Amino acid sequence: DTEVTQTPKHLVMGMTNKKSLKCEQHMGHRAMYWYKQKAKKPPELMFVYSYEKLSINESVPSRFSPECPNSSLLNLHLHALQPEDSALYLCASSQPDSTGELFFGEGSRLTVL
Amino acid sequence: AQSVTQLDSQVPVFEEAPVELRCNYSSSVSVYLFWYVQYPNQGLQLLLKYLSGSTLVKGINGFEAEFNKSQTSFHLRKPSVHISDTAEYFCAVTNTGNQFYFGTGTSLTVIP
Repeated sequence: DTEVTQTPKHLVMGMTNKKSLKCEQHMGHRAMYWYKQKAKKPPELMFVYSYEKLSINESVPSRFSPECPNSSLLNLHLHALQPEDSALYLCASSQPDSTGELFFGEGSRLTVL
Repeated sequence: AQSVTQLDSQVPVFEEAPVELRCNYSSSVSVYLFWYVQYPNQGLQLLLKYLSGSTLVKGINGFEAEFNKSQTSFHLRKPSVHISDTAEYFCAVTNTGNQFYFGTGTSLTVIP
């Protein structure tokens, strides 16, 4: 069982919709990440929150809006997406400034029509 | 900055045969190295990691990897693969624990 929980597992949305992806961890980690993964490709880093503050934004379009309400939760708000944004969105957590590994959730499969 | 190269995009191997998946990294500082496995429609799962100490690291599911500083490599090996090992394998590196760099992945297919 994964210790990083992502919901929903599958999401289909139109280009005018607004939706959110949610991620939760209870391992006491203070760094949380959003990755985007296309088929047969490695995960691409989108955002990193460290101690609930946005520390890395990899030049992600503004139609993706991250939010970290507290140390256990991470959201990704989606608005006006394009079909090419269809992908697997992975959440991960770790302890910042440590040698610990990333713990991944099982991902949210997003399809934009 | 760090980078990771996985030279083999696809590796087919017969069941019960040995396998090696190659990973080379570049970095001007000390790094920590990881191998992750991803089964279809799932997230990434840690197989093993090298932080320091013994250069031979044992992981889950019978996998092991050897850190070679002089060759900047961290190859993954398994002496006898099973059908269930069919998956995508990613090598990753970090030096701070804040930003991880992934290789392009190796698709391992185990042939019955």
